[in-house]
Amino acid sequence: GAGVSQSPSNKVTEKGKDVELRCDPISGHTALYWYRQRLGQGLEFLIYFQGNSAPDKSGLPSDRFSAERTGESVSTLTIQRTQQEDSAVYLCASSPGSTPYEQYFGPGTRLTVT
Amino acid sequence: AQSVSQHNHHVILSEAASLELGCNYSYGGTVNLFWYVQYPGQHLQLLLKYFSGDPLVKGIKGFEAEFIKSKFSFNLRKPSVQWSDTAEYFCAVTNQAGTALIFGKGTTLSVSS
Repeated sequence: GAGVSQSPSNKVTEKGKDVELRCDPISGHTALYWYRQRLGQGLEFLIYFQGNSAPDKSGLPSDRFSAERTGESVSTLTIQRTQQEDSAVYLCASSPGSTPYEQYFGPGTRLTVT
Repeated sequence: AQSVSQHNHHVILSEAASLELGCNYSYGGTVNLFWYVQYPGQHLQLLLKYFSGDPLVKGIKGFEAEFIKSKFSFNLRKPSVQWSDTAEYFCAVTNQAGTALIFGKGTTLSVSS
């Protein structure tokens, strides 16, 4: 079946611009997660959705970052006024419910801020 | 804060050598533990997981891991690696709230044929 998909696969933007990253989870998965992976680092948790509510957004690094989810479907991560330190691979994952289910990861969006 | 430590940043082995990758986590309560693998050009995928029960868990492609609660460890092993095992390996633990995975920084495994 279809896995988690993300778009775009690559995004190059100028410092100060806003970007939107999209995630389509596996159909029927109620839980959705965003992570960030900077070069040479492990994955950092950003935000967790259960349905369209976000009970844990503790990983969002600043108020420039926000995310929303439509029902139990697509999610959008928005970064406003991008900075060079935002350059990273942004990964989305979904699972049938919250822990202890395994998370299924998408291919990621590579964001480069110039 | 919870954390996960992977001791080896880069491991280089010849085919047929045995593999053990170390993973330690900081939280002492009930934990759910995972090993994920990322092959070159591919998505992160699950190798194996531990939730409860037998502390020796077997995963795909001949990998296994042992949960040792007293050592806060969940080391990954494979008796004989293949060239196709070349990949990056990540250990992860569910956070206390159960809302996210906490990942180690990863270990790059290079296997020469």
